[in-house]
Amino acid sequence: RKEVEQDPGPFNVPEGATVAFNCTYSNSASQSFFWYRQDCRKEPKLLMSVYSSGNEDGRFTAQLNRASQYISLLIRDSKLSDSATYLCVVNIYTGGFKTIFGAGTRLFVKA
Amino acid sequence: NAGVTQTPKFRVLKTGQSMTLLCAQDMNHEYMYWYRQDPGMGLRLIHYSVGEGTTAKGEVPDGYNVSRLKKQNFLLGLESAAPSQTSVYFCASSYSAADTQYFGPGTRLTVL
Repeated sequence: RKEVEQDPGPFNVPEGATVAFNCTYSNSASQSFFWYRQDCRKEPKLLMSVYSSGNEDGRFTAQLNRASQYISLLIRDSKLSDSATYLCVVNIYTGGFKTIFGAGTRLFVKA
Repeated sequence: NAGVTQTPKFRVLKTGQSMTLLCAQDMNHEYMYWYRQDPGMGLRLIHYSVGEGTTAKGEVPDGYNVSRLKKQNFLLGLESAAPSQTSVYFCASSYSAADTQYFGPGTRLTVL
């Protein structure tokens, strides 16, 4: 079982739609969580950190469920510019920190 | 600030050739990383460094070597390239192990 798993998609949605991504992690020693965005043929960039209480940044909402070991990303009112791959990232502490990247979920937003 | 830069952006090698990828960061970060990214797979850590003069193996270190002679630079070497090393290589840096990682633009390497 992979340490971090994501639905690879692709998710094809029309502009204005709401779309949700989930990511599950297997190691209960996971300490911190992030969502990164990666555009085609570009480097990953931090979208937002994920806090235990949940957090929101404009149209984006991230939530963490430690009991079920998953994190989620909700995008409201999708824009064409949201088309990208979204990577789930987990930091695991096992004496030292180890960062695990999910394989990513591809999103296509259509006009 | 330039952030994290990588050179070269593209390279084609023949099997058995060697090359060095250079990563530089101007954020005074202690931690630096080399990843490879292949289709359908997440980023996989090759080697990393927790400070000047230190290096450590990641998940897929075989066939690669690294050096961190200066805090701002992290070099990745391929001594004898193989077709299996065809990939996109990303360098990243962070202030600490638990912090956000900032990535360079990547190097697309093809080994024929």
